[in-house]
Amino acid sequence: QVQLKESGPGLVQPSQTLSLTCTVSGLSLTSNSVSWIRQPPGKGLEWMGVIWSNGGTDYNSAIKSRLSISRDTSKSQVFLKMNSLQTEDTAMYFCARTAFDYFDYWGQGVMVTVSS
Amino acid sequence: DTVLTQSPALAVSPGERVSISCRASEGVNSYMHWYQQKPGQQPKLLIYKASNLASGVPARFSGSGSGTDFTLTIDPVEADDTATYFCQQSWNDPWTFGGGTKLELK
Repeated sequence: QVQLKESGPGLVQPSQTLSLTCTVSGLSLTSNSVSWIRQPPGKGLEWMGVIWSNGGTDYNSAIKSRLSISRDTSKSQVFLKMNSLQTEDTAMYFCARTAFDYFDYWGQGVMVTVSS
Repeated sequence: DTVLTQSPALAVSPGERVSISCRASEGVNSYMHWYQQKPGQQPKLLIYKASNLASGVPARFSGSGSGTDFTLTIDPVEADDTATYFCQQSWNDPWTFGGGTKLELK
């Protein structure tokens, strides 16, 4: 069955870089696309960006200058890197399989707190 | 960006029918999708492309609409449906979500 699992540091200092990993099973990254989506505590969802099955990427223009999504298909992993973190980046970060333009399988999420 | 507006909260009794609305600030064709999120859990896909039921989702859930006005209907509502429901559009870049409607049961 399809599974996605996020991992990464729970605490990041302001101005530092966030690095997260999404490890997938039950699907191949060469034929499936994966998005990153985040949710601040008690708030709504924000789509951050997608890495397509062909390796191309698209990002939300609001954070495009700070964000990079990449992958290692041999390890079935997708990576998120976002720099210049601020307190407003505190959120639950999810990875999700992207079926064309909607999200049909989600990871359980990883909470990231930006604080000194 | 396309803003999706949802009512913040609704309260209904089990067995009733409930309609949850989502209004887009600009047309999104039929590229509207719905998710259910229970506290402490990840969102779950319910409806894709306005009216298509996702795999494994009970037929009590249905979706309708096109352009700027969309509706998620649950009929009949069950106690387990207590959750927050989000709409998401993928017609305009960037893809955006509504603020969510919290459904409570009386």
